[in-house]
Amino acid sequence: DTGVSQDPRHKITKRGQNVTFRCDPISEHNRLYWYRQTLGQGPEFLTYFQNEAQLEKSRLLSDRFSAERPKGSFSTLEIQRTEQGDSAMYLCASSTPGTLSYEQYFGPGTRLTVT
Amino acid sequence: DAKTTQPPSMDCAEGRAANLPCNHSTISGNEYVYWYRQIHSQGPQYIIHGLKNNETNEMASLIITEDRKSSTLILPHATLRDTAVYYCIADGGGSNYKLTFGKGTLLTVNP
Repeated sequence: DTGVSQDPRHKITKRGQNVTFRCDPISEHNRLYWYRQTLGQGPEFLTYFQNEAQLEKSRLLSDRFSAERPKGSFSTLEIQRTEQGDSAMYLCASSTPGTLSYEQYFGPGTRLTVT
Repeated sequence: DAKTTQPPSMDCAEGRAANLPCNHSTISGNEYVYWYRQIHSQGPQYIIHGLKNNETNEMASLIITEDRKSSTLILPHATLRDTAVYYCIADGGGSNYKLTFGKGTLLTVNP
């Protein structure tokens, strides 16, 4: 399967613990996005990479959140000192350059539950 | 990003056409209309996009009014697998191409 993959699919953690999610985009896509989705809402933009450069971060991305894409391929999203409000689906998407970037391919998401 | 307005839910009979409306009255000239859908517990899926002209692909048709203030996504022969939340997005002005999702329309296809 050459689609976007995310790992793990589900994560349950206790408040205060750190968690890390991984996203593997479609191999030829140089743009990578992270979104967060809470119940009943549409996905909300968190951050965006073009190759290895992180070019934009949403105000939703507090200083407890950090994202990396070290070699311009896979990306990780880490949440430190998790809070119950962090419980959500974390979605990764990738795309090619230019206007086709609006055609984003999403992974299945990682569902985080903070207890 | 232009604000979009969609009905929260719609029903459709299996085999019939599903017509999903979207209002984007503040859309600017360089903004495209994009449609995505999200089947339960999956990531969103790109369906179709357009600027001015009507568009058709293997999944759906997109009808954009002449004044571009509204559009309709048409699924010609809805199946049970088309039950999903459908998102209409009007965008095109930024360089990062982030998508701004609203709450979308929950389309339920009934047997």
